Amino acid sequence: GESVGLHLPTLSVQEGDNSIINCAYSNSASDYFIWYKQESGKGPQFIIDIRSNMDKRQGQRVTVLLNKTVKHLSLQIAATQPGDSAVYFCAEMAGANSKLTFGKGITLSVRP
Amino acid sequence: NAGVMQNPRHLVRRRGQEARLRCSPMKGHSHVYWYRQLPEEGLKFMVYLQKENIIDESGMPKERFSAEFPKEGPSILRIQQVVRGDSAAYFCASSPPEGARETQYFGPGTRLLVL
Repeated sequence: GESVGLHLPTLSVQEGDNSIINCAYSNSASDYFIWYKQESGKGPQFIIDIRSNMDKRQGQRVTVLLNKTVKHLSLQIAATQPGDSAVYFCAEMAGANSKLTFGKGITLSVRP
Repeated sequence: NAGVMQNPRHLVRRRGQEARLRCSPMKGHSHVYWYRQLPEEGLKFMVYLQKENIIDESGMPKERFSAEFPKEGPSILRIQQVVRGDSAAYFCASSPPEGARETQYFGPGTRLLVL
């Protein structure tokens, strides 16, 4: 079946360093991707999205890269801060289907 | 500018009881989605509704689960005769009326515990 998954379960980075979180997806029909951040006890918080007609999109301190050839998505966080510590999910949507398919999540831990 | 609201935030039920979870979408949003999250896992789609219509319920269990989004009032996810396996966090998301393929914004969730 189709799935969205993350390569690593946890990522530990030093405060101030850049973080890169990777995601692989298997549904070639997926054309809309979103990164969410989830802190303990809270709902997923939208970070950034990208559509399949783009390969890069930048926000404030975050960049999403999309490589459709290898079905790979990444989230880059610049100058990682303690407040960035959370679980990060990539999610994808395919065609007219409005439901999001989520990966299992990766925990980002920022060392002071 | 309130976001998506869900209540209750925590709900404890005994096996066999009913659970009713409420979701009020963001102002101006007319699309509502329900997702379920088990511990240490990602969110799983359950159902997509617009006002008075169920658009996609492909993720809903065939029995005991139902959802509605009436013309007035919040969306309701109803679980009848709950079992321990229903224990999970249930999240509601909403998106604007421009289309279902807009960004979905999530509420804080309802954490259901079945004893």
